[in-house]
Amino acid sequence: EADIYQTPRYLVIGTGKKITLECSQTMGHDKMYWYQQDPGMELHLIHYSYGVNSTEKGDLSSESTVSRIRTEHFPLTLESARPSHTSQYLCASSEPLQGNYGYTFGSGTRLTVV
Amino acid sequence: QKEVEQDPGPLSVPEGAIVSLNCTYSNSAFQYFMWYRQYSRKGPELLMYTYSSGNKEDGRFTAQVDKSSKYISLFIRDSQPSDSATYLCAMSAYSSASKIIFGSGTRLSIRP
Repeated sequence: EADIYQTPRYLVIGTGKKITLECSQTMGHDKMYWYQQDPGMELHLIHYSYGVNSTEKGDLSSESTVSRIRTEHFPLTLESARPSHTSQYLCASSEPLQGNYGYTFGSGTRLTVV
Repeated sequence: QKEVEQDPGPLSVPEGAIVSLNCTYSNSAFQYFMWYRQYSRKGPELLMYTYSSGNKEDGRFTAQVDKSSKYISLFIRDSQPSDSATYLCAMSAYSSASKIIFGSGTRLSIRP
């Protein structure tokens, strides 16, 4: 059983609303990641963090923002949701020595913006 | 051109068959090669990984890497209905700052 939790699992929200997707892990991992996954498409890295107060943008441009105030918590925020943000968002974490291959993923948040 | 190419399938085989899943890649810097399994409505889970070239076996699963051809494979022997899932290949370079690049996944269905 993965020790990384994402809430909510499903979210349907109206355009223009502010939303925060939660991600928490109990493994003490320093490295954490947010991926966006659309059906039949590869996972795209949108944000990552190598530790507290460290955040970087990933390869896929995203209007979302992240914060890392505590090791175990890596929330993602959309200030004003749009239909183009509809997707599945996956959070992951890794140990320092497993950052090249050993990600642990949460079950994801499926976001629908109407 | 994508760094990692993977046939999306879907692939449907009868129970007990040998399954072959494949990916090609273009970045010669990749040193870690992974296979993740993703069940419906779940996040991916690491199935196995290899470093550099060669084969690795874990139960019914065998991963192969051919760096000269930039080609990796996952073989599943004696396939079971519980193996039905989407399989994602993934790769990264040696640097600790490298991120993992994922393929788009192959959807596999094992018919009882």
